[in-house]
Amino acid sequence: EAGVTQFPSHSVIEKGQTVTLRCDPISGHDNLYWYRRVMGKEIKFLLHFVKESKQDESGMPNNRFLAERTGGTYSTLKVQPAELEDSGVYFCASSRGRSGLNTQYFGPGTRLTVL
Amino acid sequence: AQKVTQAQTEISVVEKEDVTLDCVYETRDTTYYLFWYKQPPSGELVFLIRRNSFDEQNEISGRYSWNFQKSTSSFNFTITASQVVDSAVYFCALCQGNTDKLIFGTGTRLQVFP
Repeated sequence: EAGVTQFPSHSVIEKGQTVTLRCDPISGHDNLYWYRRVMGKEIKFLLHFVKESKQDESGMPNNRFLAERTGGTYSTLKVQPAELEDSGVYFCASSRGRSGLNTQYFGPGTRLTVL
Repeated sequence: AQKVTQAQTEISVVEKEDVTLDCVYETRDTTYYLFWYKQPPSGELVFLIRRNSFDEQNEISGRYSWNFQKSTSSFNFTITASQVVDSAVYFCALCQGNTDKLIFGTGTRLQVFP
């Protein structure tokens, strides 16, 4: 069974540009999560999809971030326009069910650098 | 408030030494789940273990063992006879019973030297 995949692995953009990150969850996993780790700090929750619906987007930093999961399969996270403080590693995770009863499996992350 | 503290930023040991990574958590919930993940140099987060708040039994998996103590709100992770391949950043995480999001500690970087 393939794990969670993320694309691209690295992205370097200039301030003000737009970047779109993609996440493909494990097949059959209805729950998809985005997290972010800014340099040296803890990994922080951004949002949670159940199928195509946003269940919890309380961690989204501001309206420059837009996440979608059309069709309930893969998800995209768009940052527009990117700012310097958006630099970090963006992780995607998926789980079969909800809550801590179900393990979240993580992808390798996308390292975003905003210059 | 919910929080996870990993006070050890970095630990260095020599191969075959035992090492314990500390994790202290805070939560008001009586139902919660605790996790450990490993992040090797390749970058992905690898799931190691999940425990629920009603199961304080310690767990052993090969060279890995976990000590869950509700009385001290700790969920410590011990690697016995460490190996170079254990070098990674290890994250402890908490999931409260009524939510789906993981709350992570800042991670402990373990370096095992030959």
